[in-house]
Amino acid sequence: QQQVKQSPQSLIVQKGGISIINCAYENTAFDYFPWYQQFPGKGPALLIAIRPDVSEKKEGRFTISFNKSAKQFSLHIMDSQPGDSATYFCAAGRDLYNFNKFYFGSGTKLNVKP
Amino acid sequence: GAGVSQSPSNKVTEKGKDVELRCDPISGHTALYWYRQSLGQGLEFLIYFQGNSAPDKSGLPSDRFSAERTGGSVSTLTIQRTQQEDSAVYLCASRSPDRSSGNTIYFGEGSWLTVV
Repeated sequence: QQQVKQSPQSLIVQKGGISIINCAYENTAFDYFPWYQQFPGKGPALLIAIRPDVSEKKEGRFTISFNKSAKQFSLHIMDSQPGDSATYFCAAGRDLYNFNKFYFGSGTKLNVKP
Repeated sequence: GAGVSQSPSNKVTEKGKDVELRCDPISGHTALYWYRQSLGQGLEFLIYFQGNSAPDKSGLPSDRFSAERTGGSVSTLTIQRTQQEDSAVYLCASRSPDRSSGNTIYFGEGSWLTVV
């Protein structure tokens, strides 16, 4: 059973537009939801993360929206820029220090057109 | 070094050969993880080392895969009798033992393995 489902697989957005990537999880015990950004040839890097006690977290142009009842969370990139073109992974797990128990989505390849 | 270092960055090997992938974590990081990233797939957990504790090997896909961590620092992932389905990027990551620094794990750039 896939613990974290991510969509879409790929996304094309015009510069200045809003990019939205969605994830759904299965285990209600999960309590930490990070997003990772990966540029070609590089390892993933933590972008932003949220805990289920809040419904939204914003850092600059990046916002996580969290819907606990629906077991869904999404990443919104406002005013998308060509430099945002990368693959984005969501993840979910229980106890952020047990990272070996985290589950990753399959990734979304974002292409922001100039 | 400043970041997680992995070698080789690219490796092409013949089916049936053994390969070794090396990871040098950030200095002082006691937690070390190996992940596999296949084309178009997410990150698949392989193995986790934490200090002197027994490693969590629950993600290793078969007994052809093994890993060790010597001296609590450098780790080597070994794949024996490689198969074409082993072709993937193998990512290493490490994390600080200092919980006040948060949960951030730092990934290396990966070793791209191609089995022909």
